[in-house]
Amino acid sequence: DAKTTQPTSMDCAEGRAANLPCNHSTISGNEYVYWYRQIHSQGPQYIIHGLKNNETNEMASLIITEDRKSSTLILPHATLRDTAVYYCIVRAHNTNAGKSTFGDGTTLTVKP
Amino acid sequence: DGGITQSPKYLFRKEGQNVTLSCEQNLNHDAMYWYRQDPGQGLRLIYYSQIVNDFQKGDIAEGYSVSREKKESFPLTVTSAQKNPTAFYLCASRAYRGQGLDTGELFFGEGSRLTVL
Repeated sequence: DAKTTQPTSMDCAEGRAANLPCNHSTISGNEYVYWYRQIHSQGPQYIIHGLKNNETNEMASLIITEDRKSSTLILPHATLRDTAVYYCIVRAHNTNAGKSTFGDGTTLTVKP
Repeated sequence: DGGITQSPKYLFRKEGQNVTLSCEQNLNHDAMYWYRQDPGQGLRLIYYSQIVNDFQKGDIAEGYSVSREKKESFPLTVTSAQKNPTAFYLCASRAYRGQGLDTGELFFGEGSRLTVL
C-alpha cells in the first residue's frame, strides 16, 4: 500500500469549510483513496473513498487531482463535533485484502 | 445489528502476565486486523488475517500472538514478552471485493484500553 503524507494539525472556524490535504505521490493505478476520522478514544469511522473521480456523500466531499498524487477532504460546514483526527490511506481493491496501514493523520480542531 | 465487538473495554494487568483481547464480528467479513494506538499517535498494524486459519505479521508483531479459528473471531494475546503493552487496541474487519456490501472500507470496534500496572 502506498504511503501518505498529511499535515499534523489544522484549525477551522465553526461553520466554515475544512479542507484537509493528503499527498500520495506513489499511488498505484488500482489504489483507492480512503478517509477515516477518529474522535477521541473511539474507533475510527469511515468517511469517504474514491479512485479518480471526485466523490460526495452526506458527510464530506473528496477531490482527487488529475494525476492522483494528492487529494483533499472537504467538510463543507464544519461543526464542533467534527473535531477529530483524520486519516488518509490508500489501498487497492483486490481479492487479496492485504495490509491496511494508517499514518499519524491530521488533528482538526474546529473552533467556535 | 451488524458490527464489531471488542472486549473488555478496559483491562488492567500486572507485569509478566499474558492477556487476551477479544474481537468478534457478525459482518461475514473475511479480513480482520489488529492495531495498536499510543497517546497522540496514529494506528500501527500488529497482525492481520485474510482468511480463517491464516494470519500475517504487521509492523509491530513482536510480543503479540493471534489465532483465527473461526471467521467471526480474531483474538489478540498480549504476551509478557511485549515490553510496553500499555496502549489502546483496535480491531477492524473488511469485506473482500465482490462480497456483499463490499466497498473496501474498514469497520472498527470501539477499542480495548490495556494498562499494565
